[in-house]
Amino acid sequence: QQPVQSPQAVILREGEDAVINCSSSKALYSVHWYRQKHGEAPVFLMILLKGGEQKGHEKISASFNEKKQQSSLYLTASQLSYSGTYFCGTPIQGAQKLVFGQGTRLTINP
Amino acid sequence: DTGVSQNPRHKITKRGQNVTFRCDPISEHNRLYWYRQTLGQGPEFLTYFQNEAQLEKSRLLSDRFSAERPKGSFSTLEIQRTEQGDSAMYLCASSYSREQFFGPGTRLTVL
Repeated sequence: QQPVQSPQAVILREGEDAVINCSSSKALYSVHWYRQKHGEAPVFLMILLKGGEQKGHEKISASFNEKKQQSSLYLTASQLSYSGTYFCGTPIQGAQKLVFGQGTRLTINP
Repeated sequence: DTGVSQNPRHKITKRGQNVTFRCDPISEHNRLYWYRQTLGQGPEFLTYFQNEAQLEKSRLLSDRFSAERPKGSFSTLEIQRTEQGDSAMYLCASSYSREQFFGPGTRLTVL
């Protein structure tokens, strides 16, 4: 039931690109992406509602393929501030609660 | 708009003691959620309120846990007879539509 994220960890140099994937064995109705820095609350990045939808937030964008039951988060020209753990969350059908993946730890080095 | 606030930010208690946490959601947000997060894991759902009504509670939540939102504004989460396994970050989130916005959390350590 919990979505699966890959990779578990990524180490990049500043300016490089990264892709974080989130997939589910069950139907996805929407995907919520969050970034969490150590010791802080998860910060909402974006929500994707429709199959094939793409959204952008600064240099961070995401896609959602309803048929494949997966979403991908794209970070281009990464900045040091992008470091943190990224979580995808999905609602259970008919419910408001989110079920989160295990997270992808992103480290950006200068 | 000051965001979701939680108090206290840190709580250290001895096993067997009761603890209570408070969450103040973003004003006008009618939905309030409690999640628990342990190291290296994503947030895990505990319970959900719409206004003052508690509409869902995780089956993983033992009877030692109780939550209230008496006037549909702030919420409290109480843990009775704490156990070492209760040590975690307790996160509160609020929403008006689909997006959920998290507070800074209360870190509970049970000795």
